[in-house]
Amino acid sequence: EPEVTQTPSHQVTQMGQEVILRCVPISNHLYFYWYRQILGQKVEFLVSFYNNEISEKSEIFDDQFSVERPDGSNFTLKIRSTKLEDSAMYFCASSEDAGMNTEAFFGQGTRLTVV
Amino acid sequence: KQEVTQIPAALSVPEGENLVLNCSFTDSAIYNLQWFRQDPGKGLTSLLLIQSSQREQTSGRLNASLDKSSGRSTLYIAASQPGDSATYLCAVDSNYQLIWGAGTKLIIKP
Repeated sequence: EPEVTQTPSHQVTQMGQEVILRCVPISNHLYFYWYRQILGQKVEFLVSFYNNEISEKSEIFDDQFSVERPDGSNFTLKIRSTKLEDSAMYFCASSEDAGMNTEAFFGQGTRLTVV
Repeated sequence: KQEVTQIPAALSVPEGENLVLNCSFTDSAIYNLQWFRQDPGKGLTSLLLIQSSQREQTSGRLNASLDKSSGRSTLYIAASQPGDSATYLCAVDSNYQLIWGAGTKLIIKP
């Protein structure tokens, strides 16, 4: 069964360093998303991406964040200068479409720890 | 602004019981509602999707209902098993992004 895959599963980085989280969405999906979940808190929307551009972003997704689809399969989230409060589980998701019929499929997540 | 609330926050029941998890949302203008399962430290597994025009969806022992006008959804789990122990999250699709509840942590006692 097709699935969303994320790498790495766990990343530890020092504050101020840049990190890139990688995702391979399901191959025929057109919409891609990043969400995060800080330990003990709700899952939060970060950004959605369609047709090689950001379609929606939350107020969390500030200038230190960027997304890219560098080739036909990968979808990346870059955090330019990590802060302690960026420590969270980051989930990538993809969907065939957007709207009523859309079911979003999620990866297993990348646990980012900023020290 | 859409807000999603799940009650109860935690639930512990003996194996074999039927149970209901609740989800409420403040803005009825949604495209759909999804129920997910999350095991500790793990990813998000989609269980059921209910489109805004639908009233319910079933998958095996799971049945989810949606009353959009009142801003409520329920997830019914029949004949619960220890393997159902997990956190159950509901999320509403509002403006092409999922808004999440905090989840119900379910423990099924053998």
